Amino acid sequence: EAGVAQSPRYKIIEKRQSVAFWCNPISGHATLYWYQQILGQGPKLLIQFQNNGVVDDSQLPKDRFSAERLKGVDSTLKIQPAKLEDSAVYLCASSLEGQGRTDTQYFGPGTRLTVL
Amino acid sequence: AQKVTQAQTEISVVEKEDVTLDCVYETRDTTYYLFWYKQPPSGELVFLIRRNSFDEQNEISGRYSWNFQKSTSSFNFTITASQVVDSAVYFCALSEPGNSGYSTLTFGKGTMLLVSP
Repeated sequence: EAGVAQSPRYKIIEKRQSVAFWCNPISGHATLYWYQQILGQGPKLLIQFQNNGVVDDSQLPKDRFSAERLKGVDSTLKIQPAKLEDSAVYLCASSLEGQGRTDTQYFGPGTRLTVL
Repeated sequence: AQKVTQAQTEISVVEKEDVTLDCVYETRDTTYYLFWYKQPPSGELVFLIRRNSFDEQNEISGRYSWNFQKSTSSFNFTITASQVVDSAVYFCALSEPGNSGYSTLTFGKGTMLLVSP
């Protein structure tokens, strides 16, 4: 079974530029998550989708970050404009989870973003 | 207050030594789940184990074992006869029901394990 796919693996941009990350979850997984992992810290949830609807985006900096999951499969996370403090690894995860359940989250390889 | 505490920032051992990674959690829920993930230098988080709050049985998988104690809110991870390939950052995580009805996963800061030959 294929795992969670993410691209690109690495991205270097200058501050105030925009960037987009793509994620393809494990087939059949209804729930998709985007996490931000700053160096030396654990992943922090940015946004959670259930199919194509947003379940939790309370920690997403909505003035510059946006995400969508059209058709309930692939997802894109965008940052516009980027700031220096956005330098981090952006991890995508998926799970079978539905409401009232807790399933294991499986993670992709991540995208390492460097903002100069 | 930090919900998941991994007090050990970095541990260094020599190959074949046993090592225990500590995890202490905080929750008011009676139903919750605990996880351990491994993050090797490649960056991908690899799932190791999941345990629900009603199952306090310890678990062993090869060289890995986990000790879950609700009385002390701890979920410790032991690697027996460590190997160089065990070098990675290990994360403990807590999953609790969220207000939306969906669970949320909170990670500790991780423990970096360095195993030298």
